[in-house]
Amino acid sequence: NAGVMQNPRHLVRRRGQEARLRCSPMKGHSHVYWYRQLPEEGLKFMVYLQKENIIDESGMPKERFSAEFPKEGPSILRIQQVVRGDSAAYFCASSQQGGSTEAFFGQGTRLTVV
Amino acid sequence: KNEVEQSPQNLTAQEGEFITINCSYSVGISALHWLQQHPGGGIVSLFMLSSGKKKHGRLIATINIQEKHSSLHITASHPRDSAVYICAVGGANSGGSNYKLTFGKGTLLTVNP
Repeated sequence: NAGVMQNPRHLVRRRGQEARLRCSPMKGHSHVYWYRQLPEEGLKFMVYLQKENIIDESGMPKERFSAEFPKEGPSILRIQQVVRGDSAAYFCASSQQGGSTEAFFGQGTRLTVV
Repeated sequence: KNEVEQSPQNLTAQEGEFITINCSYSVGISALHWLQQHPGGGIVSLFMLSSGKKKHGRLIATINIQEKHSSLHITASHPRDSAVYICAVGGANSGGSNYKLTFGKGTLLTVNP
């Protein structure tokens, strides 16, 4: 049973381009969470999704960021028109259910905007 | 003041020493997590606890809900334990999810041989 898979591990984008970060949850997991770790800062919650639903996106920047978790395929975190301040490590985690079940984290995608 | 405070920020120990990392929080929580992150690496969930104490190998985590405090202990520390240890709390009003987490800034542990 593979763990949570994130790809790419490293992504370089020029300012103004789009970044797509993928997260494949563990088999049997239908809940996905995205977090961002800015340089020299702690992790911050971004969004919580279940299959085909956004449950809580209170941590998402209001513009340029979106997330989805379709019925088939990985969860996607999309950043449009990237700026230097988007450079960070983006982690996802997945769990079988929300609430009190354990979540497993991916290796992260390190986005660098040049 | 951050909602989740960890101490110390940095900790250097000799192999074999007993390690304690502390976490204090100021909000009502549904669960507290201890996570491990190696430099440039992914995040590993070590413990999720809402009361009492949990043990896994050389790692022990305790929580005191009344005092809003948790500790992570490492017995017989080893250089491979060198990592950042992060405390995170899931708020009581997080809509049923323990993963709308508020994170501490982490404790960088270095264990020298």
